[in-house]
Amino acid sequence: KQEVTQIPAALSVPEGENLVLNCSFTDSAIYNLQWFRQDPGKGLTSLLLIQSSQREQTSGRLNASLDKSSGRSTLYIAASQPGDSATYLCAAPDDDNYGQNFVFGPGTRLSVLP
Amino acid sequence: NAGVTQTPKFQVLKTGQSMTLQCAQDMNHEYMSWYRQDPGMGLRLIHYSVGAGITDQGEVPNGYNVSRSTTEDFPLRLLSAAPSQTSVYFCASSYGSEGNTEAFFGQGTRLTVV
Repeated sequence: KQEVTQIPAALSVPEGENLVLNCSFTDSAIYNLQWFRQDPGKGLTSLLLIQSSQREQTSGRLNASLDKSSGRSTLYIAASQPGDSATYLCAAPDDDNYGQNFVFGPGTRLSVLP
Repeated sequence: NAGVTQTPKFQVLKTGQSMTLQCAQDMNHEYMSWYRQDPGMGLRLIHYSVGAGITDQGEVPNGYNVSRSTTEDFPLRLLSAAPSQTSVYFCASSYGSEGNTEAFFGQGTRLTVV
């Protein structure tokens, strides 16, 4: 069964810093990997989906990379802003249904200080 | 563009009561699923469906029932609520294409069982 871990568990940075969030998964035979953002008391918002054939995806100040061979993905946030404060979740598929059953990591709680 | 809609947003139940959490999506997605999110446990898969008339169990199915009579709707039934079912419940949907299966989540239902 797929297992997903994320480090660090929490991160506090001053505004403007570039930062990296890490995600590790045990089963590298994945179809894709997805990063989500969750604000307190809210639902999950999809940030980036990386298909297994891709090495990275970019959306604005966000860049996610995927290294299947090492079982790792990173989410890079450039020029962080207070509005980036949230919990970031990494999700890797379990072993069936074309990657539609996700196993989630515990999340990284990010605080960006003005 | 509603996406995935969950109702109710909040609910308090007494032990032993039953209820149905509603989930509807307007994206014509084949795949739908239910997760629960608990502190320290992350999100865990309860039940999922790959299309109308087809459902299957996830990681934590006990105490829950599902059916899928239409593509749009995937209700989750609590048969006899227990305090251990106090949690935040998320419904998700995605399009069934190998690798390109971006998941969209509802805003969640916060359930308390007393």
